[in-house]
Amino acid sequence: KQEVTQIPAALSVPEGENLVLNCSFTDSAIYNLQWFRQDPGKGLTSLLLIQSSQREQTSGRLNASLDKSSGRSTLYIAASQPGDSATYLCAVWGSGGSNYKLTFGKGTLLTVNP
Amino acid sequence: SAVISQKPSRDICQRGTSLTIQCQVDSQVTMMFWYRQQPGQSLTLIATANQGSEATYESGFVIDKFPISRPNLTFSTLTVSNMSPEDSSIYLCSVYLPLNTEAFFGQGTRLTVV
Repeated sequence: KQEVTQIPAALSVPEGENLVLNCSFTDSAIYNLQWFRQDPGKGLTSLLLIQSSQREQTSGRLNASLDKSSGRSTLYIAASQPGDSATYLCAVWGSGGSNYKLTFGKGTLLTVNP
Repeated sequence: SAVISQKPSRDICQRGTSLTIQCQVDSQVTMMFWYRQQPGQSLTLIATANQGSEATYESGFVIDKFPISRPNLTFSTLTVSNMSPEDSSIYLCSVYLPLNTEAFFGQGTRLTVV
């Protein structure tokens, strides 16, 4: 059974700081990995999708890396802003017997202070 | 990408009643998913709803409690039946686009049962 762990559970940083969010998964047989953002009481916004054959993806100030063999991904946020404050969720698409199932981590609650 | 409209965005319901949540997608999709997010927790998959077949429920979720309809390729409903305060959660609709194996989510329905 796939398990996804996100560290840290919460993070508070001053505006302008660069930061790294970590995600690990137990079963390396994945199709892809997605990072999402969730604002309080809202749905999920897809930030970055990394295919299993890729090593990283970039979108603006966000960069996500994937090391499939070690079961790890990181989300790097450059020059953080108060508007980045949200919960960041990592999720993996399973392969094999659980082809079309996303398994989520519990998220990292990020607070960027002005 | 896919744009998902989910209704209602929030509701407060009396215990013992039922609520039907609607999910409308701006394009035809084969696979739709319903998730539950309990307070302070990550997302848990309730069921997968494919058009033309019965929904497939995850362990711990049953059709009598969470009946799902999928009448066409752009629409689905989830009903939360005979509600109790433990059903208070955010319910989210999601679709999967096989072209790039990416998942998209609606804005969620915040349900409070009193």
